[in-house]
Amino acid sequence: EVQLVESGGGLVQPGRSLKLSCAASGFTFSNYYMAWVRQAPKKGLEWVATISTSGSRTYYPDSVKGRFTISRDNAKSSLYLQMNSLKSEDTATYYCARGGADDWGQGVMVTVSS
Amino acid sequence: DIQMTQSPSSLPASLGDRVTITCRASQDIGNYLRWFQQKPGKSPRLMIYGATNLANGVPSRFSGSRSGSDYSLTINSLESEDMAIYYCLQHNEYPYTFGAGTKLELK
Repeated sequence: EVQLVESGGGLVQPGRSLKLSCAASGFTFSNYYMAWVRQAPKKGLEWVATISTSGSRTYYPDSVKGRFTISRDNAKSSLYLQMNSLKSEDTATYYCARGGADDWGQGVMVTVSS
Repeated sequence: DIQMTQSPSSLPASLGDRVTITCRASQDIGNYLRWFQQKPGKSPRLMIYGATNLANGVPSRFSGSRSGSDYSLTINSLESEDMAIYYCLQHNEYPYTFGAGTKLELK
């Protein structure tokens, strides 16, 4: 069974940083592109970042480009999202997703507020 | 970026109804279109991939279709467990983009 478990969320002040983690199990992690998707409270879904199997290629929308960095550790079956220069509009539930969102984690809440 | 225009935003329906939700792509996305279901407080669930293919475990009353740049999700014989928000996603090119969502609710 595929399992994706996010951690690292919380309350952070604007301009500060936060790093999310996603522990994967139940599949061969190194064979899949991985992604982060977020959902602001009571809002729709937004694709935030994608990383290739080796980690050599990454993709971001303009809303987070230059501030967020997706990375992975295939030896640990783990995915990460480093979020810098956080803004109030980054407040959302962040989901870890496998491939083209075949499977999703339970999500972790990030609140950016002073 | 590719825009996905999803309609309607809200869809009141009765149990047993046949309902259709549509997404229109601003550029060619081929069949790189997925549909997701999200219930309150839950993570999204993949329902349709490749525009027309049913994901594992999805009831056969769900179906996906394409007509040009219009992609549709149809639910035949609506059941109470189908009440949720549905999103389309294009994954033909980055950045991947979602439709704004359709809230399916009981009339």
